[in-house]
Amino acid sequence: QVQLQESGPGVVKPSGTLSLTCGVSGGSISSSDTWWNWVRQAPGKGLEWIGEIDHTGRTNYNPSLRSRVTISVDESKNYFSLNLRSVTAADTAVYYCARWGGDTNWFDPWGQGTLVTVSS
Amino acid sequence: QSVLTQPPSVSGAPGQRVTISCTGGSSNIGAAYDVHWYQQFPGTAPKLLIYVNNNRPSGVPDRFSGSKSGTSASLAISGLQAEDEADYYCQSYDNSLSGYVFGTGTKVTVL
Repeated sequence: QVQLQESGPGVVKPSGTLSLTCGVSGGSISSSDTWWNWVRQAPGKGLEWIGEIDHTGRTNYNPSLRSRVTISVDESKNYFSLNLRSVTAADTAVYYCARWGGDTNWFDPWGQGTLVTVSS
Repeated sequence: QSVLTQPPSVSGAPGQRVTISCTGGSSNIGAAYDVHWYQQFPGTAPKLLIYVNNNRPSGVPDRFSGSKSGTSASLAISGLQAEDEADYYCQSYDNSLSGYVFGTGTKVTVL
């Protein structure tokens, strides 16, 4: 059973870069037809899709964040990463990683989420 | 901003039936993309509740049901229970954005 776990700094300075990783256990990140996603949720707000990557490195991004986002994958370590540049307070959120595809074309499972606060 | 619109809140007494609408458009639900529903309790990650419009994963009670028609979808909870108090989100794909979209979210309160 695949499990996901986010990790990274809980505080990032304004104008800095937010960097998170999502470790995949119980399965291979190299699975075909599977996409690895990032979703965020600002405090008291709804869910916002950030982007996705497959094991070959193909990516798709939310147009509203595309200019600042890079998602990468490391097959050898079975994890994928999120970099969000030039952050502001509006980027303060709980960041979730989630799987899409394989035998399930929906978001499942999800990681537990990690809160990232943009503050000086 | 979300392209799928949900009512901010719905409420009902225990045992009642409540429904949550999810209104989209011609580039998402109306384009025949599947709708999925997620349940989220405070401080926890969303969890899949309904997949592909009207299917329940193993372990989800049959009082939860989904439907889809035209540019909208709905989630119904029958026999409402206190443990159903949570936030609910619909989700689909949008071909004009070339990405996944979520609904605005609905908070269910059991009176």
